[in-house]
Amino acid sequence: QVQLVQSGAEVKKPGASVKVSCKASGYTFTGYWIHWVRQAPGQGLEWMGWINPNSDGTNYAQKFQGRVTMTRDTSISTAYMELARLTSDDTAVYYCAREQDTPMVSRFDYWGLGTLVTVSS
Amino acid sequence: DIQMTQSPSSLSASVGDRVTLTCRASQNINNYLNWYQHKPGKAPKLLIYAASSLQGGVPSRFSGSGSGTDFTLTISSLQPEDFATYYCQQSYRTPPPTFGGGTKVEIK
Repeated sequence: QVQLVQSGAEVKKPGASVKVSCKASGYTFTGYWIHWVRQAPGQGLEWMGWINPNSDGTNYAQKFQGRVTMTRDTSISTAYMELARLTSDDTAVYYCAREQDTPMVSRFDYWGLGTLVTVSS
Repeated sequence: DIQMTQSPSSLSASVGDRVTLTCRASQNINNYLNWYQHKPGKAPKLLIYAASSLQGGVPSRFSGSGSGTDFTLTISSLQPEDFATYYCQQSYRTPPPTFGGGTKVEIK
């Protein structure tokens, strides 16, 4: 069965970086884009960007450009999201999600359990 | 970016109730609308895609309707496991795919 297994919770100081991993199993990793979505405490879902594991192409939300980097390692079917120059506003649960676009419209059909990132001095 | 607005932001209902949640897009998105259920500490779960198509494994008490700018998610008979927050998401004009603010369904 399809699974996205994320790395564990992180505590970081302001100004630091964090790298979250998302290991895929149960399907062909290079066949589906991976998106990253975050949820700050008491807030809704916020899209951060995607990576095409096949081509290594990426697209980032304007809000995070210059601060986020999405990569992948196809040999271990794992996607990564690195966020730099952290502030307290980056405290959130970070999710990876698989995009399915057939049939019909694009949607996120499988999600990881999330990784809590806490930014605190 | 296309803005998605959900109403109400929260509601209280009883087991067995029929519940209708609303999502409105800031412009026409045809049927490029998805619904997710999210429980604390769990992964969001896709319920409905393309406005009205039921994702595999999702109970038939969930249904979606709408096209253009106005959409609804209906739970025909609310079950204890349905208490959660529900989000709509448009995939018509991306990036970015945008989510509504969510509707929290609570126990009355």
